[in-house]
Amino acid sequence: DIQMTQSPASLSASVGDRVTITCRASQDIRNYLAWYQLRPGKGPKLLIYAASTLQSGVPSRFSGSGSGTDFSLTISSLRPEDVATYFCQKYDSVPRTFGQGTKVEIK
Amino acid sequence: EVQLVESGGDLVQPGGSLRLSCAASGFTFSIHAMHWVRQAPGKGLEYVSAITGNGGRTFHSNFVKGRFTISRDNSKNTLYLQMGSLRAEDTAVYYCATSLGGDWYMDYWGQGTLVTVSS
Repeated sequence: DIQMTQSPASLSASVGDRVTITCRASQDIRNYLAWYQLRPGKGPKLLIYAASTLQSGVPSRFSGSGSGTDFSLTISSLRPEDVATYFCQKYDSVPRTFGQGTKVEIK
Repeated sequence: EVQLVESGGDLVQPGGSLRLSCAASGFTFSIHAMHWVRQAPGKGLEYVSAITGNGGRTFHSNFVKGRFTISRDNSKNTLYLQMGSLRAEDTAVYYCATSLGGDWYMDYWGQGTLVTVSS
C-alpha cells in the first residue's frame, strides 16, 4: 500500500505568517491528492482536491501544489480560525490513505 | 443544502456489535459514493469503508475486513456500517462522507458519532 507522510507533525506560527505543510507519497499518485481541515468538535472540511484546486467556499489564502509524490498546502496569511489539524489524503486507488496530520496553532 | 447526520454510536463491550447510520439529504443519494472514516482519540484520520452509488461495489480497509460491513438503502437515503467483533482499538469518532464532485475525494462530511469499546 502507498504510504502518506506529512510534516511537520505540529507547528506554531503568528497571525499573518505564511505556513506550509508538506505531504509525501511513497509512490506516484499523479495529482490525486486532497487536503482537509479538522477542527475540534466538527467534521472534516475539504480544502483542496486534485492537488491544487480550491474547493468552493474555501478562502483564497489556502493553496495547494505538487504532483507525483511531493505535495504542499500553504496558508498565505494565518488567521486565528485556521487553528486546526490538517490532513492530506490520496484518492487515486484504495486504500485512500490519509497522512498523519499536522496540528497548526497560533503562537 | 447537503446534510449528513450520523447516529448509532454507543458504549459497547469488546466482542460486541453495533450498527451506525448516516442519514443523507440535499443531494441525489443513489448516484454518489459514500464513505466511513474514523478518528481514534488523539490519532489521525483512518479510511474505513466505501460503497458505490448503487451499492454494487464496496471496500473495507484491512483492519476492519471481515468484521465491518458497509451498506446503503437508497430508498431511505441512508448509509450504514454494521460493526462486529469490536475491539478496544475500534474506539473512535466515525464520520460518514460523500463524493459529489465526480471523483473519490470527500467533499461533504457529517459531524461524527462516537463509538466506545470498553468493558
